[in-house]
Amino acid sequence: SQKIEQNSEALNIQEGKTATLTCNYTNYSPAYLQWYRQDPGRGPVFLLLIRENEKEKRKERLKVTFDTTLKQSLFHITASQPADSATYLCAPSGYSTLTFGKGTMLLVSP
Amino acid sequence: EAQVTQNPRYLITVTGKKLTVTCSQNMNHEYMSWYRQDPGLGLRQIYYSMNVEVTDKGDVPEGYKVSRKEKRNFPLILESPSPNQTSLYFCASSLFPDGTQYFGPGTRLLVL
Repeated sequence: SQKIEQNSEALNIQEGKTATLTCNYTNYSPAYLQWYRQDPGRGPVFLLLIRENEKEKRKERLKVTFDTTLKQSLFHITASQPADSATYLCAPSGYSTLTFGKGTMLLVSP
Repeated sequence: EAQVTQNPRYLITVTGKKLTVTCSQNMNHEYMSWYRQDPGLGLRQIYYSMNVEVTDKGDVPEGYKVSRKEKRNFPLILESPSPNQTSLYFCASSLFPDGTQYFGPGTRLLVL
């Protein structure tokens, strides 16, 4: 069955550093992969989508990579700020299916 | 403003008392779904709907019902709530099942 793995432990980093979050998936070949941000008690909000034929996608301080051979996506936030503290969910998607990972909590300290 | 609304936002009820959580979207999306989110378990899909009058079970449908009589509305019904349905519930909509999901603000339910 499909399996999505995101670090269950929170990632603690200092303001200004680059945060890197990992999403691994198995038994699955998604056509694209989405990343969402979720603040406590609130609904997830879409951030970025990367397709299987794209190696990298950028949006402001965000960068996503997608390695279909490794079955992995990396999500980077450069020059991180305390306001970036949240849980980030990956969602491999395509062919009429979408499944969310459990998310990784990011804590950015001043 | 494009949005998904849910009501109520917070609800405390007792075991066995039927309740309905409403969900409405103004983006003319075909696809709508309900999730519950519990600590350590992530988002789990309860039911989804591909279009009006077309609904299907997700991963955790037991104890829930849905209906889709209009494109914009997708209510979640708990006919006999139990304490294990205490959770945070989200409604979501999208153009396609695997497309960008737009989530509502959430409904926090406590069943005593």
